[in-house]
Amino acid sequence: GAVVSQHPSRVICKSGTSVKIECRSLDFQATTMFWYRQFPKKSLMLMATSNEGSKATYEQGVEKDKFLINHASLTLSTLTVTSAHPEDSSFYICSAIDRAGNSYNEQFFGPGTRLTVL
Amino acid sequence: GENVEQHPSTLSVQEGDSAVIKCTYSDSASNYFPWYKQELGKRPQLIIDIRSNVGEKKDQRIAVTLNKTAKHFSLHITETQPEDSAVYFCAATINFNKFYFGSGTKLNVKP
Repeated sequence: GAVVSQHPSRVICKSGTSVKIECRSLDFQATTMFWYRQFPKKSLMLMATSNEGSKATYEQGVEKDKFLINHASLTLSTLTVTSAHPEDSSFYICSAIDRAGNSYNEQFFGPGTRLTVL
Repeated sequence: GENVEQHPSTLSVQEGDSAVIKCTYSDSASNYFPWYKQELGKRPQLIIDIRSNVGEKKDQRIAVTLNKTAKHFSLHITETQPEDSAVYFCAATINFNKFYFGSGTKLNVKP
């Protein structure tokens, strides 16, 4: 299957700092990337949908000024957690859609980023 | 929006037995239903999927059934093995625009 990388895999930061997480599709062009948040022993919660070259679409309850998403190219999307606080600590996972022609195939996940805010 | 419910939350079976996990969805327009396996601290991995124009799909020990009328779909794992132990998530989407996940089922296969 297609490969999606995510960096960093783990980050610990102080409260009030901003953290940037990168999501890259390594061997395919991803017109759409999704950002999820996963709490311990919980399901994946969709935060936003990121389309290349356009503004991200945020799910209800997700602050767009808090979680800045940029999808500058067909292989890179970034999530910036601004002014992070302990309640932002979580596992963040991105995924990318591999579009072949006019058909979507499947959603490929990155390995996730464990964010801990002290 | 779409609401996906998944049951049971935990499932414990003896090695060699079958395991069944069920999901329901609310939006009749959903047309793609993937199942993911997630091991602790790892990314979800697609194990099987089904589209709305198909009622059943099988891949070796894993099968998925879809009942569009009742809006539910199920994952069936036969001849379970200890390495099948993980958390399984169902999901639903309309044309891959957004994916809505079930709450997950922790499967424990006892040797």
